[in-house]
This record gives sequence, structure tokens and C-alpha cells, in this order.
Amino acid sequence: EPEVTQTPSHQVTQMGQEVILRCVPISNHLYFYWYRQILGQKVEFLVSFYNNEISEKSEIFDDQFSVERPDGSNFTLKIRSTKLEDSAMYFCASSASGSSGNTIYFGEGSWLTVV
Amino acid sequence: QKEVEQNSGPLSVPEGAIASLNCTYSDRGSQSFFWYRQYSGKSPELIMSIYSNGDKEDGRFTAQLNKASQYVSLLIRDSQPSDSATYLCAHGGGNNRLAFGKGNQVVVIP
Repeated sequence: EPEVTQTPSHQVTQMGQEVILRCVPISNHLYFYWYRQILGQKVEFLVSFYNNEISEKSEIFDDQFSVERPDGSNFTLKIRSTKLEDSAMYFCASSASGSSGNTIYFGEGSWLTVV
Repeated sequence: QKEVEQNSGPLSVPEGAIASLNCTYSDRGSQSFFWYRQYSGKSPELIMSIYSNGDKEDGRFTAQLNKASQYVSLLIRDSQPSDSATYLCAHGGGNNRLAFGKGNQVVVIP
């Protein structure tokens, strides 16, 4: 069964450092997303991406965050200068279309710890 | 602000019993609703989607949607220990942006 894959599964970084989280969406999917979940809290939408540009972003997705699709398979989330409060599980997701109701498939997540 | 509320605390049910989970949402314009299951430390896994008022059944799961009351529920029949997880209610908006509730933990007691 096709799946969304994410690397690394766990990363520890020092405050102020840059972090890049990588994702390979399902191959025939066109819409890509990043969500995050702080420990014990709800899953929160960060950004959606289609046709090589951001289609929507939340208030969480400020200037320290960026996304990129550098080649035909990878989708990355960059956090420029990490803060302690960025510690969370980051989920990449993809869907075949962007219409409301289309199934979104989540990767297993990248657990980011900022120290 | 699209809010999804799941206010019940952890739910303990005996194996074989029915688990009932409830969710309310604030966005009257929402058209799509989902229940995800999340095991500890794992990613959300879609178990049910529902778009129309009424009931939708899939195996041991039944989702119920009432748009007038802004209410969606999930029933798990014949609960199994493998159903022990956190169940996340979510609704979809434009660009397939999902708004999640905080989740309800279900513990199935053998």
C-alpha cells in the first residue's frame, strides 16, 4: 500500500539552529501538507502546498517556516531558527486532490526536540 | 476560528461493548467530517468519513452526523483491545485543511 514517508523519525537540535524535515508523499498525489502536534495537544494545520506554491497557511506558519518541493519526489519543511516551543511531532500528509473531503494520508511523523 | 470540541475524558469500555464518542464543531459551513484513530506516538489514521446527515456504517464503526446541531459521533461496536487508542474528530475546509479536536482516549478492557 502506498504511504507517505518521513525522515528523520526523531531529531534533537539546539535552539536557534535550522532544521529541515523531509517527506516523500504518495507518488500520484498532488496536494501536500504539514501538520504538527505538540505533546498532549491537538493536531494543528501548518500549510498546504499545490503546484509548487503554498495554497494555504495557518497563523502558526510564520516567517521562520518555509516549504519546498526541491525535486519530483521530496517535500520539505524548513524551520530557520528553532525555538523551544517548536518541539513537536511534525506530520507530512498528501492527498490526490484538494477538494474538501478528499482523503488525506499522513506519514509516521518526525519528532523534533529543541533543547 | 474553526473549533472542534471533544470534551469527554478517557473512556473505558469492556471488551465486546459499544464505545460512543461525541464531537461538536463551530463552523456551520463545514461539509466533510472525519474520525481518525491515533495510537500513542503514531500518526492519525482515517477510519471514517461522513458528508451527509444521518448514519454511515463501516464494519464495526458507525458515524452519525447532524449538521443542524453541529454534532458528529462515532460508535465502535464489539470493542476490541486493539481499538484502544485516541480518536480524533476533524472537519475539512477549503484546500482540504483539517481542523482537529483534541481527541478522546478509549481503553478497551479485556
